[in-house]
Amino acid sequence: AQSVTQLDSHVSVSEGTPVLLRCNYSSSYSPSLFWYVQHPNKGLQLLLKYTSAATLVKGINGFEAEFKKSETSFHLTKPSAHMSDAAEYFCVVSYTGGFKTIFGAGTRLFVKA
Amino acid sequence: EPEVTQTPSHQVTQMGQEVILRCVPISNHLYFYWYRQILGQKVEFLVSFYNNEISEKSEIFDDQFSVERPDGSNFTLKIRSTKLEDSAMYFCASSELVGGGGDYGYTFGSGTRLTVV
Repeated sequence: AQSVTQLDSHVSVSEGTPVLLRCNYSSSYSPSLFWYVQHPNKGLQLLLKYTSAATLVKGINGFEAEFKKSETSFHLTKPSAHMSDAAEYFCVVSYTGGFKTIFGAGTRLFVKA
Repeated sequence: EPEVTQTPSHQVTQMGQEVILRCVPISNHLYFYWYRQILGQKVEFLVSFYNNEISEKSEIFDDQFSVERPDGSNFTLKIRSTKLEDSAMYFCASSELVGGGGDYGYTFGSGTRLTVV
């Protein structure tokens, strides 16, 4: 069965330090993978997506993610955290011909001054 | 950047009443979706819709739920007889291509917070 696991429910970093949000997926097929961000009382904004092109995907606001098939991972990184990055981040997998998606449980990122 | 619009942003309804949540997807998108997020829980897939029919639905999407694209621009989610446990944030999304392909992946609306009392 397909699933998405976000390994950390909360991550806390200091401003200016690197961010790593971890995501592992299980899929029988080549998945499409996405990272979305949700700021308080806002909708879900696409950060980046992987759809079988380059394995290193660059997104908005300096975020990037690397698809590693051997590790079934799609971790989100950013070299230097900013206060405005504080939000909830969701790893999402699309499968079953793309008509169904599974969300990870989310990782709340805290950024300390 | 194009947006998905959802109305209303908040809705309070009495248990047993019918509610209709409305969404205007991005105009050139062909695939439409509803999700819900119960407070403090993960986002859950409800249903996908393409070519005027349901493509996929989850076990949550039982007979009390229905979706419709009544006029070529709106995409609605109807809950026939609401229960307390239907209280959640409901998100609509659309995509240009299947599987979230296209430039914007799945584009989500800002959600409708439904409170059943």
